[in-house]
Amino acid sequence: SQELEQSPQSLIVQEGKNLTINCTSSKTLYGLYWYKQKYGEGLIFLMMLQKGGEEKSHEKITAKLDEKKQQSSLHITASQPSHAGIYLCGAPRFNAGGTSYGKLTFGQGTILTVHP
Amino acid sequence: EAGVAQSPRYKIIEKRQSVAFWCNPISGHATLYWYQQILGQGPKLLIQFQNNGVVDDSQLPKDRFSAERLKGVDSTLKIQPAKLEDSAVYLCASSVRQSEAFFGQGTRLTVV
Repeated sequence: SQELEQSPQSLIVQEGKNLTINCTSSKTLYGLYWYKQKYGEGLIFLMMLQKGGEEKSHEKITAKLDEKKQQSSLHITASQPSHAGIYLCGAPRFNAGGTSYGKLTFGQGTILTVHP
Repeated sequence: EAGVAQSPRYKIIEKRQSVAFWCNPISGHATLYWYQQILGQGPKLLIQFQNNGVVDDSQLPKDRFSAERLKGVDSTLKIQPAKLEDSAVYLCASSVRQSEAFFGQGTRLTVV
C-alpha cells in the first residue's frame, strides 16, 4: 500500500507568518488530496491535485503536486488563527475498476497552531 | 445540501461490550466508506461499499468488526466484542464516482 509521510508533524507559527507543509509518497502519485480536520471532528475537503505540476489556490492556501518528486506541498500565506487544525494529505487507491477517489491512504497529519 | 450524518457523536463502553455506529451518506452518493482514525494518526480505510455491495473490506478485522449497507443508503458499523485498542474516531464518508469524498463529523469511541 502507498505510504505517505508528512512534514513537519507539528508547526507553531505567529499570526501573519507563511508556512509550508509537505507530503511525500514512497510510491507513484496519481493524485493527491488535502483535507483539514479540527480535533475530534470530521475532515473538510480543501483541494484535489490530479496532474503533475498542478497548482491550486483557495483563499490563502496553495497546493502543488510534483509527480517527479512524488511530493505535494501545502502553503499558507499570512496565517490566521482560523487556519489552526490538522492538515492531512491523502492519495487515492485503486479498485479493480480503476481509481477510487474517495478510497484514500492518508499521511499521519500535521498539527498547525497559530498564535494571535 | 445536507452533509454526511453520523451518530452517536460520542460513545464510552467497557471492553468486551458491543457497539454500533450509524451513517447516512449524502443523497445520491453510491459509494460509502468507513475509516478508523486512532489518535495521532491519519484515517485508515476499513471498508468501502458501492451501493449495497462491498468493494473492499481487506482491512476490516472481521473477527470483531462487521458492516452492512442495506438498501444502498444508510450503513452501520458494529464492533463485537470491543477491545481497548478499538478506541478511535470512526469516520463515515461518501462520494459519487470520480469525485472527492465528503466526511461526516465522526463518532469518538472510548473503550475502558
